[in-house]
Amino acid sequence: EVNLLESGGGLVQPGGSLRLSCAASGFTFTDFYMTWIRQPPGKAPEWLGVIRNKGNAYTTEYNPSVEGRFTISRDNTQNILYLQLNTLRPEDTAIYYCVRYQFGRLDAWGQGTSVTVSS
Amino acid sequence: DIQMTQSPSSMSVSLGDRVTITCRASQDIGKFLSWFQQKPERSPKLMIFGATNLEAGVPSRFSGSGSGSDYSLTINSLESEDTGIYFCLQHKEYPFSFGSGTKVEIK
Repeated sequence: EVNLLESGGGLVQPGGSLRLSCAASGFTFTDFYMTWIRQPPGKAPEWLGVIRNKGNAYTTEYNPSVEGRFTISRDNTQNILYLQLNTLRPEDTAIYYCVRYQFGRLDAWGQGTSVTVSS
Repeated sequence: DIQMTQSPSSMSVSLGDRVTITCRASQDIGKFLSWFQQKPERSPKLMIFGATNLEAGVPSRFSGSGSGSDYSLTINSLESEDTGIYFCLQHKEYPFSFGSGTKVEIK
């Protein structure tokens, strides 16, 4: 069974940093693109970025809205996806989801981890 | 960036009704369009991918259609378990972008 479990969220002051993790299991992690998507309270989801699979050299793409502040990486020995969040702003407050992506399907979502940016 | 315009924002319908939700992209997205259902306090769930393909386990009363820049999700004969918020997503090009959502409630 495919399972994605995010962690690392919490309350952080504006300007602060967080690193989110997503532990993946139940599939061959290196075969899949992995994405991060966030959803502010009561709003639509926002795609943040993607890290490609082994066959595509684990390259990354980002939403310009967060590029330069957020960094996606992966530990393929431990099957963990990361999202480094820097210079956080109140508008970054959201539930952050890791999502598996392959062949046009965002087919497996974690339960999300909550990030609140507030002083 | 591609903008997705979704309508309506909400709808109140009766059990057994047919529901249609639409998404219009700001450019041709070549059927790179998915639909998601989200229940309160839950992660979104993939319902339709490639504009018309039903995800495994999704009831056949759900269907997707469209091409170019215009797409629709149809629920034939709405059941109570179909309430929630529906989002479209284009994945034609980065950055992927979601519609603003349609809340479906029972009248």
